Amino acid sequence: GENVEQHPSTLSVQEGDSAVIKCTYSDSASNYFPWYKQELGKRPQLIIDIRSNVGEKKDQRIAVTLNKTAKHFSLHITETQPEDSAVYFCAASGRGGYQKVTFGTGTKLQVIP
Amino acid sequence: KAGVTQTPRYLIKTRGQQVTLSCSPISGHRSVSWYQQTPGQGLQFLFEYFSETQRNKGNFPGRFSGRQFSNSRSEMNVSTLELGDSALYLCASSSLVGAAYEQYFGPGTRLTVT
Repeated sequence: GENVEQHPSTLSVQEGDSAVIKCTYSDSASNYFPWYKQELGKRPQLIIDIRSNVGEKKDQRIAVTLNKTAKHFSLHITETQPEDSAVYFCAASGRGGYQKVTFGTGTKLQVIP
Repeated sequence: KAGVTQTPRYLIKTRGQQVTLSCSPISGHRSVSWYQQTPGQGLQFLFEYFSETQRNKGNFPGRFSGRQFSNSRSEMNVSTLELGDSALYLCASSSLVGAAYEQYFGPGTRLTVT
């Protein structure tokens, strides 16, 4: 089955700096890579996603890149703010239209004011 | 549209008991997935239902089961509860966007087994 590895497990940055979280996946047939943000005590929320036919996607201060050859994808957050502090999960979907999402182990991001 | 709802939000059970959790997906979503979230294991996939059929299953023992009704509402059941079943149980409903499913989570049910 699919295996998703996520690094780092914790990340501390100064407010205004950039943060990068990296994930690798094992199943070359995976075609959908979402990122979720989970604040303390709340549900995971989809913040951005990328499909295998796209190399990069941006949404304001966040961006995701995908390297299909190397089977890795990354989340980039620029100009970090204290409200960006949360746990971030990457994920990869199974092949075709079937819904089986495998999550990474999460990155706890702390933005220091 | 209303979001994904889960009931109950909190539950305390004793070892050996059984429990049923409920999930109502976003209107129009036919796929419902269940996850177990624990501090040590992260988000672990339990199973996914689509149009009342279990389409995918994770690596959990048979004590964990689920079903989906014709209105897409889903339930999961855990029998013979163990202390290690204490976790946040999240359900997520999905819709097909292009060639992939976008998934939206409910608030979760916090289960404590004593």
